[in-house]
Amino acid sequence: QKEVEQDPGPLSVPEGAIVSLNCTYSNSAFQYFMWYRQYSRKGPELLMYTYSSGNKEDGRFTAQVDKSSKYISLFIRDSQPSDSATYLCAMSATNAGKSTFGDGTTLTVKP
Amino acid sequence: GAVVSQHPSWVICKSGTSVKIECRSLDFQATTMFWYRQFPKQSLMLMATSNEGSKATYEQGVEKDKFLINHASLTLSTLTVTSAHPEDSSFYICSASSGQGAEKLFFGSGTQLSVL
Repeated sequence: QKEVEQDPGPLSVPEGAIVSLNCTYSNSAFQYFMWYRQYSRKGPELLMYTYSSGNKEDGRFTAQVDKSSKYISLFIRDSQPSDSATYLCAMSATNAGKSTFGDGTTLTVKP
Repeated sequence: GAVVSQHPSWVICKSGTSVKIECRSLDFQATTMFWYRQFPKQSLMLMATSNEGSKATYEQGVEKDKFLINHASLTLSTLTVTSAHPEDSSFYICSASSGQGAEKLFFGSGTQLSVL
């Protein structure tokens, strides 16, 4: 069983929809939780970074972490075609940059 | 944000040859750099952690004699795939850290390696 499980999708939504992306994990030592956006054949770009449980909001993006359930989510409000990409969750036990990544969810936002 | 330059963006080589990939932090000093491998529709798999001036730390199952990593300065790390074979074909990505935390970790744009 993988340490981090992420629904690969693909996920297709109309423009303006609310998108929910999720990951589950098994390692209770994880304390740092990240969401990255990756366009095709490019490196990942950090979207959200949270420590421990709770919510964090940045513009149209909201990250939620529920450590008791070992479940994290990323919500995208008012989705745009430019949000079409692969979204990777990642998590780590320390703040040292070494993370375990999910397989990514491919999102397409249709105009 | 900080910029990490990775070159080349794609390379095609013959089986048995060696290929070098460069990762440069352009506007900051990177104490640590990471090298990943990514197969289509799969996650980034960490291959090794590279610290300037010391030997790289390889993840379990990664052949250090095949994937040579040199972190010669605080702005440059290189990955050399030696005696490449078709199964080494993959997307290789580097990242560079300017300090603690994911907010200080920046990724290169990746290198697509195709071995014929």
